[in-house]
Amino acid sequence: GQQLNQSPQSMFIQEGEDVSMNCTSSSIFNTWLWYKQDPGEGPVLLIALYKAGELTSNGRLTAQFGITRKDSFLNISASIPSDVGIYFCAGSRNNDMRFGAGTRLTVKP
Amino acid sequence: DTEVTQTPKHLVMGMTNKKSLKCEQHMGHRAMYWYKQKAKKPPELMFVYSYEKLSINESVPSRFSPECPNSSLLNLHLHALQPEDSALYLCASTTAGGWNTEAFFGQGTRLTVV
Repeated sequence: GQQLNQSPQSMFIQEGEDVSMNCTSSSIFNTWLWYKQDPGEGPVLLIALYKAGELTSNGRLTAQFGITRKDSFLNISASIPSDVGIYFCAGSRNNDMRFGAGTRLTVKP
Repeated sequence: DTEVTQTPKHLVMGMTNKKSLKCEQHMGHRAMYWYKQKAKKPPELMFVYSYEKLSINESVPSRFSPECPNSSLLNLHLHALQPEDSALYLCASTTAGGWNTEAFFGQGTRLTVV
């Protein structure tokens, strides 16, 4: 299956700071998705992207679908303590959906 | 309604037991997925059903047997599992086809094999 490289692996930030994480792949995808997962729970969809170059926001979250269709980034602005968790990117094409390794975010009050 | 419902939430089974995990969605999605997730790892694709037909099988051992009895239901039958099969099993659904849209996950079944 396709391999997704997600970075950084972990981040420790102060409350109020902005955060950026990204995913790259050697394969193209038709859809990029960003999820947040809390311990013991299923991933929760944050943002879905469908077009190359698309920039989409959801509150303090902004994500972009790369022009080459092989990458995507997620930005979180003005972080708050409840942003703590693991963020996963996922790429999807022809019903095949794969995940990056995740970015573990810690927010210090 | 963007809900995917998985049952049971927790399951403990012996290596000789037979059990089933269930997943249900009523969003009209025609692609349904099973993922396995170990601690501190990403979800790992196991099976994909598209229009109730198995379209992807990631070389999963035969002790895991998926079934899609209709467009809303997805089962995962378990038999003769090993302790290393203990994990969070996640179900997801999305629109089927070359261009998938939003994919929603259930809360998962925490499986422990003893």
